[in-house]
Amino acid sequence: GESVGLHLPTLSVQEGDNSIINCAYSNSASDYFIWYKQESGKGPQFIIDIRSNMDKRQGQRVTVLLNKTVKHLSLQIAATQPGDSAVYFCAEGVYSSASKIIFGSGTRLSIRP
Amino acid sequence: DAGVIQSPRHEVTEMGQEVTLRCKPISGHDYLFWYRQTMMRGLELLIYFNNNVPIDDSGMPEDRFSAKMPNASFSTLKIQPSEPRDSAVYFCASSLYRASYNEQFFGPGTRLTVL
Repeated sequence: GESVGLHLPTLSVQEGDNSIINCAYSNSASDYFIWYKQESGKGPQFIIDIRSNMDKRQGQRVTVLLNKTVKHLSLQIAATQPGDSAVYFCAEGVYSSASKIIFGSGTRLSIRP
Repeated sequence: DAGVIQSPRHEVTEMGQEVTLRCKPISGHDYLFWYRQTMMRGLELLIYFNNNVPIDDSGMPEDRFSAKMPNASFSTLKIQPSEPRDSAVYFCASSLYRASYNEQFFGPGTRLTVL
């Protein structure tokens, strides 16, 4: 497939439990942050985004928290399912740079049955 | 919509050969991005276009890499000559401008192996 077998930090979670994936970002001037999910053999897929003037945003089964003080972002997945197995990337962007975003290194989420 | 289309899905070539990767963005999208994903460097932005014009090519590794977008529905990324260190998965993505964040839609990628 079109994933590259990245040597990534791995989070192993029991099916049905909640998952928390963390990300440290680098640019204090970033205006927005995005979480992407990459399943094996596929390209990254948008999950949820958050603007820098927010500290929390919720979607379907997912919540993103932003702490600008320590430049930290987290993705919480409720009731983790086997289909959540993937590599998760955070990304950051600046409005003045149009659509350019910078991806973090990623975390592999593994689900135990 | 078929989404972003990339071809080929897999390419194996020998060092020194020219490689051309192709991308068809989602119809109506005005931004197109080329990324490279490797084990060592993760997902890197190589270049992006707005309305077929290259905006930022600062991520292009060296002169062996070139990208074109002759029209709104087609882009190519060319490597000439190719080297083993170019082996990676290359993704194309497209997005539609909004006043705030523009969600990028990724293609399935091209896995390039240079022997």
